[in-house]
Amino acid sequence: AQSVTQLGSHVSVSEGALVLLRCNYSSSVPPYLFWYVQYPNQGLQLLLKYTSAATLVKGINGFEAEFKKSETSFHLTKPSAHMSDAAEYFCAVSADSNYQLIWGAGTKLIIKP
Amino acid sequence: EAQVTQNPRYLITVTGKKLTVTCSQNMNHEYMSWYRQDPGLGLRQIYYSMNVEVTDKGDVPEGYKVSRKEKRNFPLILESPSPNQTSLYFCASRPQGLNTEAFFGQGTRLTVV
Repeated sequence: AQSVTQLGSHVSVSEGALVLLRCNYSSSVPPYLFWYVQYPNQGLQLLLKYTSAATLVKGINGFEAEFKKSETSFHLTKPSAHMSDAAEYFCAVSADSNYQLIWGAGTKLIIKP
Repeated sequence: EAQVTQNPRYLITVTGKKLTVTCSQNMNHEYMSWYRQDPGLGLRQIYYSMNVEVTDKGDVPEGYKVSRKEKRNFPLILESPSPNQTSLYFCASRPQGLNTEAFFGQGTRLTVV
């Protein structure tokens, strides 16, 4: 069975600092991996996805993620945090014949001025 | 505009009073699902549907019903709501395929008193 672990329910960084949000997955088959962002009082929207074409994936708003099979990780990074990045971020894996997405518990990103 | 529309956005109801949360998508997606989001628990799938007249239980189906009579609509029904169903609910749709993006509604915040 697939599973997703996001390390840290809250991550706090200063504006302009590096953002690193961690995601580890388990899957018995090659996974498809996603990062979604949820701004306050809104639904989730796709940041980026890994579909085996390239291990480094670029997404919207300057975010990127690197797929590392040996570490079963898909960590999300952004070189310089902006106040507008404050949101909750979810990692998900899709590797199921029923097309289900398996979700991590989410990480709330806090940006300090 | 491609979108998933949920109604209502906010709802306060009393224990035992049947309610329906509607969900409609205009992207001709085969796959639709309902999630509930609770603090610290991430997204948990309630029910999903792979196509018209095909529905199946997710991880937390107790106390909920769904129907999929037409492709675009996937209502969530609470026959006898209880306070433990107080939560934030999201509908999502997705084309078939493991690498496809899920599109989310804006959410319905339900309070059962």
